[in-house]
Amino acid sequence: DIQMTQSPSSLSASVGDRVTITCRASQSISSYLNWYQQKPGKAPKLLIYAASSLQSGVPSSFSGSGSGTDFTLTISSLQPEDFATFYCQQTYSTPPYTFGQGTKLEIK
Amino acid sequence: EVQLVESGGGLVQPGGSLRLSCAASGFTVSSTYMSWVRQAPGKGLEWVSVIYSGGSTSYADSVRGRFTISRDTSKNTLYLQLSSLRADDTGVYYCARGEVSSGHENFDYWGQGTLVTVSS
Repeated sequence: DIQMTQSPSSLSASVGDRVTITCRASQSISSYLNWYQQKPGKAPKLLIYAASSLQSGVPSSFSGSGSGTDFTLTISSLQPEDFATFYCQQTYSTPPYTFGQGTKLEIK
Repeated sequence: EVQLVESGGGLVQPGGSLRLSCAASGFTVSSTYMSWVRQAPGKGLEWVSVIYSGGSTSYADSVRGRFTISRDTSKNTLYLQLSSLRADDTGVYYCARGEVSSGHENFDYWGQGTLVTVSS
């Protein structure tokens, strides 16, 4: 099975900052990579699919890039509502639909 | 509007059983693939099971042989039968709708989750 590793595991940032979260796959997954955002006590929400395609209704401050084994999620200017935990997910070789361990973004 | 509403969680003793339900509206559960994803307290997301539109199913190694995914098209509802439950099955269980966008799979809608607690 393909393993997904995110870094960092946690991150502190301020409103207005530019933030980048990294996800690495244990083997090439082309662009079969999704990003989800989860706020405390809530269900995950799809942000990005196919590595760089923005899901409908998601602010353009979110962007994704990468292919092969290395991927990034970037938030161009942090807003108060953006603080959450973010997960990557591979869909290259399914099942299983493997998630990364998560990156918790906290307010500095 | 697409909605997913889970139910059926609760407290169960180790070795016990439980059936989770996920009532769907705004689409037909048999028209796409549907998954269950769980989250242990304070931990990350773990994919559990999938049922495809054709009816084939698959499970994570951690639950294979103990959990069974199914659907009832007349009720437009997804199910997860949990058996031989262990303490490490404790967590919030989410159902999620599978979508294929530009040839790429993703989970575009999620339910609010239902909590399963396995404890004596």
